Amino acid sequence: NAGVTQTPKFQVLKTGQSMTLQCAQDMNHEYMSWYRQDPGMGLRLIHYSVGAGITDQGEVPNGYNVSRSTTEDFPLRLLSAAPSQTSVYFCASSIRDRGSGYTFGSGTRLTVV
Amino acid sequence: AQSVSQHNHHVILSEAASLELGCNYSYGGTVNLFWYVQYPGQHLQLLLKYFSGDPLVKGIKGFEAEFIKSKFSFNLRKPSVQWSDTAEYFCAVKQYYGGATNKLIFGTGTLLAVQP
Repeated sequence: NAGVTQTPKFQVLKTGQSMTLQCAQDMNHEYMSWYRQDPGMGLRLIHYSVGAGITDQGEVPNGYNVSRSTTEDFPLRLLSAAPSQTSVYFCASSIRDRGSGYTFGSGTRLTVV
Repeated sequence: AQSVSQHNHHVILSEAASLELGCNYSYGGTVNLFWYVQYPGQHLQLLLKYFSGDPLVKGIKGFEAEFIKSKFSFNLRKPSVQWSDTAEYFCAVKQYYGGATNKLIFGTGTLLAVQP
């Protein structure tokens, strides 16, 4: 049981480049979310999804796109990377149950130069 | 909008000292409350959660937290910390609108350093 798998683990981009952070879960979880973690700011929600075909914006969505074509996958796209997007990105998933916590992936450390 | 406040940004304790980390949230409706821990270089792991019922909840590794609805608080406690508890601790709140589950919002985290 792999849980939540994120790829890549590390990435360096040049300003203006695009890339997709991958997230996959094998637990049949309905809910999936993307967070970014920055020192002193905790985890901030970028986008989330309550099921295939349904996505919504979180606290800091600008500069990021998501889609959810399947239950398992929830990729995060950076269309034109900026240095302000240098961060550690975590994907998380959860079942629909109200009392359930989220299971987190191991993170992607992204540096934009 | 929902917000979560963790007032202690950096805590330094000696082994065997008692720990209490504060967490307050702003939403007055139905909420679920969580504490997560992040050990150095690792991802977040769930320590404990409050859903309903007994406001004193016990989690893994000897941690517990008390939900005080009147104070909008969910403080984390441990009677005696160990060096291995050195980590960053995050409080998180899941709120509900119209009965539908909603997103999980995190506080800014508390970095705990336990000195041997």
